[in-house]
Amino acid sequence: QKEVEQDPGPLSVPEGAIVSLNCTYSNSAFQYFMWYRQYSRKGPELLMYTYSSGNKEDGRFTAQVDKSSKYISLFIRDSQPSDSATYLCAMSSNILTGGGNKLTFGTGTQLKVEL
Amino acid sequence: DAGVTQSPTHLIKTRGQHVTLRCSPISGHKSVSWYQQVLGQGPQFIFQYYEKEERGRGNFPDRFSARQFPNYSSELNVNALLLGDSALYLCASSSGENQPQHFGDGTRLSIL
Repeated sequence: QKEVEQDPGPLSVPEGAIVSLNCTYSNSAFQYFMWYRQYSRKGPELLMYTYSSGNKEDGRFTAQVDKSSKYISLFIRDSQPSDSATYLCAMSSNILTGGGNKLTFGTGTQLKVEL
Repeated sequence: DAGVTQSPTHLIKTRGQHVTLRCSPISGHKSVSWYQQVLGQGPQFIFQYYEKEERGRGNFPDRFSARQFPNYSSELNVNALLLGDSALYLCASSSGENQPQHFGDGTRLSIL
């Protein structure tokens, strides 16, 4: 079993739709949770960075973390064709617990927003 | 401000050869990490360096090695290349441990 599970998609939605992307994980030591966006032939771009449980909002993006269920989500409101990309969830533990700062990624979900 | 820069952008090698990939972190960032991304998969952790010391190593063979220089730039070296080493190699920098990592656009390595 992988430490981080993510549905690879592809996910196709109409412009303006609300998009929900999700990851589950098995390692209870994870405390930092990230979402990256990766366009074709580019490196991952950090979208959201959260610590522990709760919600965080930044413009059209909302990240949710539920540590009790080991489940994280990214919501994209008013989706645009420019949001078409692969979305990667990533997690890390606290360096004080010996996990270092290495990121463990999901496989990525391919999103296409159509006109 | 410049982001993380990696060179070269593309590289073609043959089996058995050696390769050196280079990374310059964001100005002021002292931590550099290396990841391998195979097509259709998420990046896999290879190494992390902080203040020129190795702080973490992923599940990769000894053919993979890295180092960080006094100016915080870094090199990833891979010896005895195999076909399976074909991938996008990503470098990420952060201002410290437990801080967000920012990625470069990677070096695309193809092994023939």
